[in-house]
Amino acid sequence: ETGVTQTPRHLVMGMTNKKSLKCEQHLGHNAMYWYKQSAKKPLELMFVYSLEERVENNSVPSRFSPECPNSSHLFLHLHTLQPEDSALYLCASSQGRGPSSPLHFGNGTRLTVT
Amino acid sequence: AQTVTQSQPEMSVQEAETVTLSCTYDTSESDYYLFWYKQPPSRQMILVIRQEAYKQQNATENRFSVNFQKAAKSFSLKISDSQLGDAAMYFCAYGNRDDKIIFGKGTRLHILP
Repeated sequence: ETGVTQTPRHLVMGMTNKKSLKCEQHLGHNAMYWYKQSAKKPLELMFVYSLEERVENNSVPSRFSPECPNSSHLFLHLHTLQPEDSALYLCASSQGRGPSSPLHFGNGTRLTVT
Repeated sequence: AQTVTQSQPEMSVQEAETVTLSCTYDTSESDYYLFWYKQPPSRQMILVIRQEAYKQQNATENRFSVNFQKAAKSFSLKISDSQLGDAAMYFCAYGNRDDKIIFGKGTRLHILP
């Protein structure tokens, strides 16, 4: 079992739908991240939570809304998405922040917006 | 701003042979980390190896080693005795004390049996 679990694995949604991505980490980490991975582009950091507080929001459109109810769970709420939002969304966690704390990733959610 | 460049979109290597993946980066900082992550078809990114910029000795992890050239801002990954399970996307990444981790676009590695 991976230390970071993401559900669902695949998601197809229309532009008017509302859905949520879920991430759960079983590693006792205190920082969690959402990344967006698009074809032929570098990973883009979307949000960072440290000790359940959002510490970074990289100019992500408001149609993406993160939630971190506790240090083990992270959600990404989606509404009125655009086709260009289709991508692989990766969750990661780390013990502490900073480059000395390696990221542990989940398997990602493959999102298709139709 | 920091950048990470992986100039090889795809590479192939014969099983049991050695392959080197290239990565260059640009930064004005002196204190940073460099990473190689592997993303197999399962999609889970896995840390392969990490190098601290202030350490001159190249990091090694079993069959994986790096050639870190700080002055040239080069950070290549060498995989020895390539195995079928090494087939994956490999991402070079840069991390600084401000917790910014910047990834390259990746190199897809094929292992030929």
